[in-house]
Amino acid sequence: AQSVTQPDIHITVSEGASLELRCNYSYGATPYLFWYVQSPGQGLQLLLKYFSGDTLVQGIKGFEAEFKRSQSSFNLRKPSVHWSDAAEYFCAVGFSGGYNKLIFGAGTRLAVHP
Amino acid sequence: DVKVTQSSRYLVKRTGEKVFLECVQDMDHENMFWYRQDPGLGLRLIYFSYDVKMKEKGDIPEGYSVSREKKERFSLILESASTNQTSMYLCASSLNPTKTDTQYFGPGTRLTVL
Repeated sequence: AQSVTQPDIHITVSEGASLELRCNYSYGATPYLFWYVQSPGQGLQLLLKYFSGDTLVQGIKGFEAEFKRSQSSFNLRKPSVHWSDAAEYFCAVGFSGGYNKLIFGAGTRLAVHP
Repeated sequence: DVKVTQSSRYLVKRTGEKVFLECVQDMDHENMFWYRQDPGLGLRLIYFSYDVKMKEKGDIPEGYSVSREKKERFSLILESASTNQTSMYLCASSLNPTKTDTQYFGPGTRLTVL
C-alpha cells in the first residue's frame, strides 16, 4: 500500500540556521509530490510540488525540495529560517489515475528559536 | 485565487447531536474532499466527491456521511456525534477529477463533542 513517512515529529532550529525536513514515500511508480505548510489555526497552503522534469523544485517563501527516486525521498529545505516559518509541514503523495486522492504524512512541527 | 470557505471555525456539540459542516469553493472545481486532522496522524480522508451528487468513501468514512447538491458546496454530516469525532476538519477542492493536482484547503473547523 502507498504510504508517506515524515520521520521527524518535532524539529527546533535557530533563526538563520538552515533547515531540512525529511519525507519518504512508498509507491511503485513515479509519484506526484507535494509539501504543504499549516500555520497555527489555519488551513494548509501549498509550498511546492513535483510532477516531472527537474528534480529540484522551487517553492514559495524561499523553500525548495529535491526528488530522489533512488531514495524514495522528497526532502524540503530552506537555507535560512525565519521566525515566521514556525508551523507544521506536511508532505503528500498523489498517484496517477483516480480522482486526485492524496496521502499525507503525519507532519513535522517546526519551532524557531530567536 | 481559489477560495475555500468553511461555515464555522469552532463548533461545540453534544454527544448524539446531528452535526453539519459546510464547505464552499468559488473556483468551479470538480473535486471536493473532507479530511480530519489529528495530532500525530496527519490528514485522513473521510469522503470525496468528483461531481455533483457523486461521492466516494475515503479511508475513514465510518460515522460520517456527505452531501453535494451543488458543484460549489460539499457538506459533511455527523449523524450522531460522538466524543471520538472531536477533531479538526478540513475541506479541500481541486480542479480536475481525473488528474492529480493541487488541492486547495479551507481554514478548518475545530469540532469539540462533549
